[in-house]
Amino acid sequence: DIVMTQAPLSVSVTPGESASISCRSSKSLLHSNGITYVYWYLQKPGKSPQLLIYRMSNLASGVPDRFSGSGSETDFTLKISRVEAEDVGIYYCGQLLENPFTFGSGTKLEIK
Amino acid sequence: QVKLQQSGAELVKPGASVKLSCKTSGYTFSTSYMSWFKQIPGQSIEWIGMIYAGDGGTGYNQKFKGKATLTVDTSSSTAYMDLSSLTTEDSAVYFCADYPGRYWGQGVMVTVSS
Repeated sequence: DIVMTQAPLSVSVTPGESASISCRSSKSLLHSNGITYVYWYLQKPGKSPQLLIYRMSNLASGVPDRFSGSGSETDFTLKISRVEAEDVGIYYCGQLLENPFTFGSGTKLEIK
Repeated sequence: QVKLQQSGAELVKPGASVKLSCKTSGYTFSTSYMSWFKQIPGQSIEWIGMIYAGDGGTGYNQKFKGKATLTVDTSSSTAYMDLSSLTTEDSAVYFCADYPGRYWGQGVMVTVSS
């Protein structure tokens, strides 16, 4: 199985500042079709996960452009610019390249 | 708008089975993929498997083969997941979601206890 390793475990951010979350996969997530199958989700407290970024760098519908995704074949970054109070929750990276789809252990974002 | 409505919380005895439902609306279910996930409170997300509503074709996480069975009813735009031979380790919140997770159900808590 592809292992997704996230860092840090938690991050505390002052509103208006930026935050970055890293994710590393144990195998390249770049498909031969040129698409990198890494996804980012946010699970707000007591809620279902919501899709933020798909295929490494594409912003999901309705997601503020303060969120951005980047990376290579195995190293990925979610950046949140101008963090707001509503951004609190647990962020997960996931790979949807091959069975079984797997997810990182999560990064908890808190507001200072 | 798109909605995935899951059935209510379940309290089941060890060894029993349970069938969870995920009723969809607002999009073309019959040509879509539906995934199911398991999340033990305080832990990360596990992918159980996925089904293509068009032909009922499935793909399972090897870990959940024999535990979970995915089906669909396209006439009611509903996806189902049967969980069998339940143990306390199956106690968790279960989510349905389309591929790649644009839309999610609200989750259902399954508690396995005697």
